[in-house]
Amino acid sequence: GAGVSQTPSNKVTEKGKYVELRCDPISGHTALYWYRQSLGQGPEFLIYFQGTGAADDSGLPNDRFFAVRPEGSVSTLKIQRTERGDSAVYLCASSALAPGELFFGEGSRLTVL
Amino acid sequence: AQSVTQPDIHITVSEGASLELRCNYSYGATPYLFWYVQSPGQGLQLLLKYFSGDTLVQGITGFEAEFKRSQSSFNRRKPSVHWSDAAEYFCAVGTRGQGGKLIFGQGTELSVKP
Repeated sequence: GAGVSQTPSNKVTEKGKYVELRCDPISGHTALYWYRQSLGQGPEFLIYFQGTGAADDSGLPNDRFFAVRPEGSVSTLKIQRTERGDSAVYLCASSALAPGELFFGEGSRLTVL
Repeated sequence: AQSVTQPDIHITVSEGASLELRCNYSYGATPYLFWYVQSPGQGLQLLLKYFSGDTLVQGITGFEAEFKRSQSSFNRRKPSVHWSDAAEYFCAVGTRGQGGKLIFGQGTELSVKP
């Protein structure tokens, strides 16, 4: 597609449930990133894929968070046993050029009740 | 610890006035520096970037940003603000070898009075 696509745009779930957030990057972009943005804050790095492999997952807050990119294109961020503190906007970005030239999607807003 | 500070959470200026958005960073390696804009209903968009070379970077909307290593700053300026500049602006820092792993500031929300 023309830009980075994220689904769902909004997700409301109950504490303890499992959630999947999907990202479809710009075609041909080999690098894909997940960030999390809490209210009133800047985006916070979670994980970075180069191709199919996670090049850096140092930002994942704990083992409830996991992300995959099995074919080097679409990625899924998976959150197990959701907690109220997981409520945030989850941003996906892709890149093919110089470091830092990220193209962001509009985000998936997660609300955990 | 690596960090980015945007001291001004919210700025209000009159249309036509000059503007400076401040950004300070703390980073161990030679930084790459960026300014992104976030408007309601839209994703973050890259406005300006500094990798090396000329420390004054020009944007396409009349904004410019200047890298000052001695002050660890990458402030963004515009001589005359337009109502369409109202948005939230984020400064970010990264480094060679870390791909797109960026550290963002908490943002500055700009409001423009007619």
